[in-house]
Amino acid sequence: QVQLVESGGGVVQPGRSLRLSCAASGFTFSSYGMHWVRQAPGKGLEWVAVIWYDGSNKYYADSVKGRFTISRDNSKNTLYLQMNSLRAEDTAVYYCGGIVVVPAWGQGTLVTVSS
Amino acid sequence: EIVLTQSPGTLSLSPGERATLSCRASQSVSSSYLAWYQQKPGQAPRLLIYGASSRATGIPDRFSGSGSGTDFTLTISRLEPEDFAVYYCQQYGSSPGLTFGGGTKVEIK
Repeated sequence: QVQLVESGGGVVQPGRSLRLSCAASGFTFSSYGMHWVRQAPGKGLEWVAVIWYDGSNKYYADSVKGRFTISRDNSKNTLYLQMNSLRAEDTAVYYCGGIVVVPAWGQGTLVTVSS
Repeated sequence: EIVLTQSPGTLSLSPGERATLSCRASQSVSSSYLAWYQQKPGQAPRLLIYGASSRATGIPDRFSGSGSGTDFTLTISRLEPEDFAVYYCQQYGSSPGLTFGGGTKVEIK
Protein backbone atom coordinates (compact mmCIF):
# COMPACT_ATOMS: atom_id res chain seq x y z
CA GLN A 1 0.00 0.00 0.00
CA VAL A 2 1.05 3.58 -0.47
CA GLN A 3 3.22 4.86 2.34
CA LEU A 4 4.63 8.35 2.77
CA VAL A 5 6.83 9.23 5.72
CA GLU A 6 7.95 12.80 6.35
CA SER A 7 10.99 13.74 8.40
CA GLY A 8 13.23 16.70 9.11
CA GLY A 9 10.93 18.91 11.12
CA GLY A 10 11.97 20.68 14.28
CA VAL A 11 12.46 24.03 15.96
CA VAL A 12 14.38 26.65 13.96
CA GLN A 13 15.05 30.34 14.43
CA PRO A 14 13.55 32.94 12.09
CA GLY A 15 15.71 33.49 9.02
CA ARG A 16 17.29 30.05 9.19
CA SER A 17 16.83 27.04 6.88
CA LEU A 18 15.45 23.54 7.16
CA ARG A 19 15.09 20.65 4.73
CA LEU A 20 12.18 18.24 4.90
CA SER A 21 12.23 14.77 3.37
CA CYS A 22 9.44 12.42 2.37
CA ALA A 23 10.19 8.73 1.83
CA ALA A 24 7.74 7.04 -0.52
CA SER A 25 6.95 3.36 -0.93
CA GLY A 26 4.22 1.08 -2.22
CA PHE A 27 3.88 2.73 -5.62
CA THR A 28 5.97 3.77 -8.62
CA PHE A 29 7.20 7.07 -7.23
CA SER A 30 8.77 8.21 -10.51
CA SER A 31 5.39 8.14 -12.26
CA TYR A 32 3.56 10.69 -10.08
CA GLY A 33 3.65 14.36 -9.37
CA MET A 34 4.11 15.11 -5.69
CA HIS A 35 2.95 17.93 -3.41
CA TRP A 36 3.70 19.54 -0.08
CA VAL A 37 0.77 20.86 1.94
CA ARG A 38 0.90 22.51 5.37
CA GLN A 39 -1.38 23.25 8.30
CA ALA A 40 -0.64 26.01 10.77
CA PRO A 41 -1.78 25.42 14.39
CA GLY A 42 -5.56 25.69 14.59
CA LYS A 43 -5.87 26.55 10.90
CA GLY A 44 -6.92 24.83 7.67
CA LEU A 45 -4.89 23.09 5.01
CA GLU A 46 -2.74 25.12 2.62
CA TRP A 47 -1.11 23.84 -0.55
CA VAL A 48 2.61 24.73 -0.67
CA ALA A 49 4.26 23.29 -3.77
CA VAL A 50 4.12 20.63 -6.51
CA ILE A 51 6.74 18.93 -8.64
CA TRP A 52 6.10 17.00 -11.83
CA TYR A 53 6.84 13.26 -11.92
CA ASP A 54 10.18 13.84 -13.65
CA GLY A 55 11.08 17.07 -11.87
CA SER A 56 10.61 19.10 -15.04
CA ASN A 57 8.11 21.53 -13.58
CA LYS A 58 7.68 23.04 -10.15
CA TYR A 59 5.03 25.42 -8.83
CA TYR A 60 4.70 27.23 -5.52
CA ALA A 61 2.15 29.07 -3.44
CA ASP A 62 2.76 32.81 -3.41
CA SER A 63 3.40 32.65 0.35
CA VAL A 64 6.57 30.57 -0.14
CA LYS A 65 7.73 31.51 -3.65
CA GLY A 66 11.39 32.48 -3.71
CA ARG A 67 12.05 30.95 -0.27
CA PHE A 68 11.10 27.27 -0.61
CA THR A 69 12.35 24.77 -3.20
CA ILE A 70 10.74 21.43 -3.95
CA SER A 71 12.84 18.65 -5.43
CA ARG A 72 12.88 14.88 -5.77
CA ASP A 73 15.29 11.99 -6.20
CA ASN A 74 13.48 9.26 -8.10
CA SER A 75 16.38 6.84 -7.56
CA LYS A 76 15.77 7.13 -3.80
CA ASN A 77 11.96 7.44 -3.93
CA THR A 78 12.29 10.62 -1.92
CA LEU A 79 10.70 14.07 -2.08
CA TYR A 80 12.29 17.14 -0.51
CA LEU A 81 11.33 20.63 0.58
CA GLN A 82 14.17 23.07 1.16
CA MET A 83 12.89 25.94 3.29
CA ASN A 84 15.01 29.08 3.51
CA SER A 85 14.46 32.43 5.21
CA LEU A 86 11.92 30.88 7.53
CA ARG A 87 9.33 33.08 9.22
CA ALA A 88 7.10 32.60 12.25
CA GLU A 89 4.14 32.19 9.91
CA ASP A 90 5.77 29.12 8.38
CA THR A 91 5.14 27.27 11.64
CA ALA A 92 2.97 24.32 10.65
CA VAL A 93 2.69 20.59 10.19
CA TYR A 94 3.99 19.79 6.71
CA TYR A 95 2.49 16.88 4.78
CA CYS A 96 3.77 15.31 1.58
CA GLY A 97 1.45 13.57 -0.80
CA GLY A 98 0.22 12.95 -4.27
CA ILE A 99 -2.67 11.79 -6.36
CA VAL A 100 -1.62 8.16 -6.64
CA VAL A 101 -4.83 7.19 -8.42
CA VAL A 102 -6.46 8.47 -5.23
CA PRO A 103 -5.11 11.20 -2.94
CA ALA A 104 -2.53 9.89 -0.48
CA TRP A 105 -0.77 11.81 2.30
CA GLY A 106 1.76 11.17 5.00
CA GLN A 107 1.38 11.73 8.75
CA GLY A 108 3.25 15.04 8.67
CA THR A 109 6.24 16.63 10.34
CA LEU A 110 6.06 19.69 12.61
CA VAL A 111 8.11 22.76 11.83
CA THR A 112 8.26 25.45 14.50
CA VAL A 113 9.89 28.77 13.66
CA SER A 114 10.66 30.60 16.86
CA SER A 115 13.46 32.51 18.51
CA GLU B 1 -7.32 29.15 -8.97
CA ILE B 2 -10.43 27.31 -7.85
CA VAL B 3 -11.75 28.53 -4.50
CA LEU B 4 -13.71 26.06 -2.38
CA THR B 5 -16.28 27.36 0.11
CA GLN B 6 -17.56 24.99 2.77
CA SER B 7 -20.76 25.47 4.71
CA PRO B 8 -21.79 25.60 7.41
CA GLY B 9 -18.71 26.49 9.39
CA THR B 10 -19.99 24.50 12.35
CA LEU B 11 -22.69 21.85 12.52
CA SER B 12 -24.13 20.98 15.94
CA LEU B 13 -25.83 17.60 15.91
CA SER B 14 -26.56 14.63 18.16
CA PRO B 15 -25.35 11.05 17.66
CA GLY B 16 -27.70 9.20 15.34
CA GLU B 17 -28.62 12.31 13.36
CA ARG B 18 -27.85 12.91 9.70
CA ALA B 19 -25.13 15.38 8.73
CA THR B 20 -25.07 17.20 5.41
CA LEU B 21 -21.94 19.19 4.55
CA SER B 22 -21.60 21.42 1.50
CA CYS B 23 -18.61 22.34 -0.66
CA ARG B 24 -19.09 24.90 -3.41
CA ALA B 25 -16.40 25.63 -6.04
CA SER B 26 -15.80 28.96 -7.77
CA GLN B 27 -15.41 27.10 -11.10
CA SER B 28 -16.32 23.65 -12.32
CA VAL B 29 -14.14 20.90 -10.80
CA SER B 30 -12.58 18.85 -13.58
CA SER B 31 -13.85 15.28 -13.86
CA SER B 32 -15.23 15.43 -10.32
CA TYR B 33 -11.72 15.40 -8.85
CA LEU B 34 -13.14 16.28 -5.48
CA ALA B 35 -12.13 14.64 -2.20
CA TRP B 36 -13.37 14.78 1.39
CA TYR B 37 -11.22 14.34 4.49
CA GLN B 38 -11.91 13.91 8.18
CA GLN B 39 -9.48 15.33 10.72
CA LYS B 40 -9.40 14.85 14.46
CA PRO B 41 -7.21 16.87 16.85
CA GLY B 42 -3.54 15.94 16.63
CA GLN B 43 -4.09 13.65 13.65
CA ALA B 44 -3.41 13.86 9.93
CA PRO B 45 -6.38 14.24 7.60
CA ARG B 46 -7.98 10.92 6.70
CA LEU B 47 -9.30 10.40 3.18
CA LEU B 48 -13.00 9.56 3.15
CA ILE B 49 -14.19 10.19 -0.41
CA TYR B 50 -12.44 10.69 -3.75
CA GLY B 51 -13.77 11.30 -7.23
CA ALA B 52 -16.70 13.07 -5.55
CA SER B 53 -18.50 9.83 -4.63
CA SER B 54 -16.09 6.90 -4.21
CA ARG B 55 -15.40 5.77 -0.67
CA ALA B 56 -11.77 5.24 0.26
CA THR B 57 -10.60 1.88 1.57
CA GLY B 58 -12.04 1.04 4.97
CA ILE B 59 -14.51 3.93 5.13
CA PRO B 60 -17.94 2.93 6.53
CA ASP B 61 -20.89 3.16 4.20
CA ARG B 62 -22.60 5.75 6.41
CA PHE B 63 -20.30 8.23 4.62
CA SER B 64 -21.36 9.18 1.10
CA GLY B 65 -20.37 11.86 -1.37
CA SER B 66 -22.32 13.36 -4.22
CA GLY B 67 -22.30 16.26 -6.65
CA SER B 68 -20.60 17.49 -9.77
CA GLY B 69 -19.55 20.72 -11.43
CA THR B 70 -19.46 23.30 -8.67
CA ASP B 71 -21.64 21.78 -5.94
CA PHE B 72 -20.64 18.83 -3.80
CA THR B 73 -22.06 17.25 -0.65
CA LEU B 74 -20.75 14.92 2.04
CA THR B 75 -23.48 13.08 3.92
CA ILE B 76 -23.06 11.10 7.13
CA SER B 77 -26.24 9.10 7.38
CA ARG B 78 -26.19 8.44 11.13
CA LEU B 79 -23.55 10.13 13.26
CA GLU B 80 -21.46 7.88 15.46
CA PRO B 81 -19.52 9.32 18.42
CA GLU B 82 -16.24 8.96 16.51
CA ASP B 83 -17.56 11.08 13.60
CA PHE B 84 -17.37 14.36 15.49
CA ALA B 85 -14.42 16.06 13.82
CA VAL B 86 -13.48 18.65 11.20
CA TYR B 87 -14.17 17.85 7.55
CA TYR B 88 -12.37 19.34 4.55
CA CYS B 89 -13.07 19.19 0.85
CA GLN B 90 -10.24 19.34 -1.68
CA GLN B 91 -10.11 19.66 -5.45
CA TYR B 92 -7.28 18.00 -7.35
CA GLY B 93 -8.37 18.38 -10.96
CA SER B 94 -7.09 21.86 -11.65
CA SER B 95 -3.36 21.82 -12.30
CA PRO B 96 -0.89 22.69 -11.03
CA GLY B 97 -1.90 23.18 -7.42
CA LEU B 98 -4.49 21.81 -5.05
CA THR B 99 -7.05 23.75 -3.11
CA PHE B 100 -8.88 23.01 0.11
CA GLY B 101 -12.06 24.32 1.60
CA GLY B 102 -11.96 26.09 4.94
CA GLY B 103 -13.49 23.16 6.79
CA THR B 104 -16.72 22.27 8.60
CA LYS B 105 -16.61 21.32 12.26
CA VAL B 106 -19.18 18.72 13.27
CA GLU B 107 -19.69 19.05 17.01
CA ILE B 108 -21.85 17.31 19.55
CA LYS B 109 -25.04 19.21 20.33
